[in-house]
Amino acid sequence: GQNIDQPTEMTATEGAIVQINCTYQTSGFNGLFWYQQHAGEAPTFLSYNVLDGLEEKGRFSSFLSRSKGYSYLLLKELQMKDSASYLCAVMDSNYQLIWGAGTKLIIKP
Amino acid sequence: SQTIHQWPATLVQPVGSPLSLECTVEGTSNPNLYWYRQAAGRGLQLLFYSVGIGQISSEVPQNLSASRPQDRQFILSSKKLLLSDSGFYLCAWNTGETEYTGELFFGEGSRLTVL
Repeated sequence: GQNIDQPTEMTATEGAIVQINCTYQTSGFNGLFWYQQHAGEAPTFLSYNVLDGLEEKGRFSSFLSRSKGYSYLLLKELQMKDSASYLCAVMDSNYQLIWGAGTKLIIKP
Repeated sequence: SQTIHQWPATLVQPVGSPLSLECTVEGTSNPNLYWYRQAAGRGLQLLFYSVGIGQISSEVPQNLSASRPQDRQFILSSKKLLLSDSGFYLCAWNTGETEYTGELFFGEGSRLTVL
């Protein structure tokens, strides 16, 4: 079966750095995606990785290792507004998105 | 610019009652449209997707149905709700340009509680 694993919850301190991991097992691979979802709101697109390596977008970076079935989302200089759930999703060989359950990130002052 | 709206935002319905959630997209033509359900502690579950008017693909057998009567309108329905239908329903769209890059644009969501 297809599976996306990410931690259920993480806590970090304002101003610090946090890394959210995601491992996957899917039938085929056409890219890995990270979305941010604030409580009670819709997810918003953060990043897309299809090749191995690091993609940087301001305070957020996303890394992919296809051979290991592994990705992480790195958030730097954490702000209170970064408190949200972070969803990892993989596009399989049929171009369907398979979603993880999300990691709830709690930022403390 | 493109926008997506879905409604109602919140609803509480008794078991066995009907359901209708509506979603409209503006500022684009011939979008791919999706209905997802998000249950607590679980990943987004794709319910239906549509690549054109009257073209609906169902991903999960259930008592829900979807229709696309117009290019930018997508409706999720049920004739008789079950307790297990409770959840957060999300409408989303993308186009041929973003279809293969995984970028989806979501509506505000509809929280359904079935009692």
